[in-house]
Amino acid sequence: KQEVTQIPAALSVPEGENLVLNCSFTDSAIYNLQWFRQDPGKGLTSLLLIQSSQREQTSGRLNASLDKSSGRSTLYIAASQPGDSATYLCAVSSRGNQFYFGTGTSLTVIP
Amino acid sequence: KAGVTQTPRYLIKTRGQQVTLSCSPISGHRSVSWYQQTPGQGLQFLFEYFSETQRNKGNFPGRFSGRQFSNSRSEMNVSTLELGDSALYLCASSLQSDQETQYFGPGTRLLVL
Repeated sequence: KQEVTQIPAALSVPEGENLVLNCSFTDSAIYNLQWFRQDPGKGLTSLLLIQSSQREQTSGRLNASLDKSSGRSTLYIAASQPGDSATYLCAVSSRGNQFYFGTGTSLTVIP
Repeated sequence: KAGVTQTPRYLIKTRGQQVTLSCSPISGHRSVSWYQQTPGQGLQFLFEYFSETQRNKGNFPGRFSGRQFSNSRSEMNVSTLELGDSALYLCASSLQSDQETQYFGPGTRLLVL
């Protein structure tokens, strides 16, 4: 069974800093990997989707990389803002449309 | 384009009762997946429907069931509710393929007393 781990579980940074969130998975036979953010009590918002054949994806201040062979992905957030405060989740699709989620990293950006 | 909608948003039930949750996917999306989110277990996959057929199923007891209608709307049913079923239930839709982005609804928060 696919297991997804996210480190750190919580992160607090001052506004303006660049930061990296980590995601690792045990089974490298994935279809794709997706990063989400979740605000308290809300649903998930998709940030970036990386297909298994891709190495990275970028959207604005966000950049996600994927290394299938080592079972790792990173989400890089440039010039962090207080509005970036949320829980960030990564999910991998190993079979069909079933996503396996990590436990998330809770990010707080201090003004 | 309207996003994924879920009804109701909040629900309180007592042990032993049953509950039905509804999910309307983004127009044109044919795949609907359901997830349970709890503080202890995180997000866990329940099942996925495509063209009215269950295509994948997670590791949940038979008390959890679902269906999808011809208009792609989906319902999830939980029978004989237990305290541990208290959770945020999320549905997600995508066009048709596991290669595509999943779009999540706001969720239904279920509290079992």
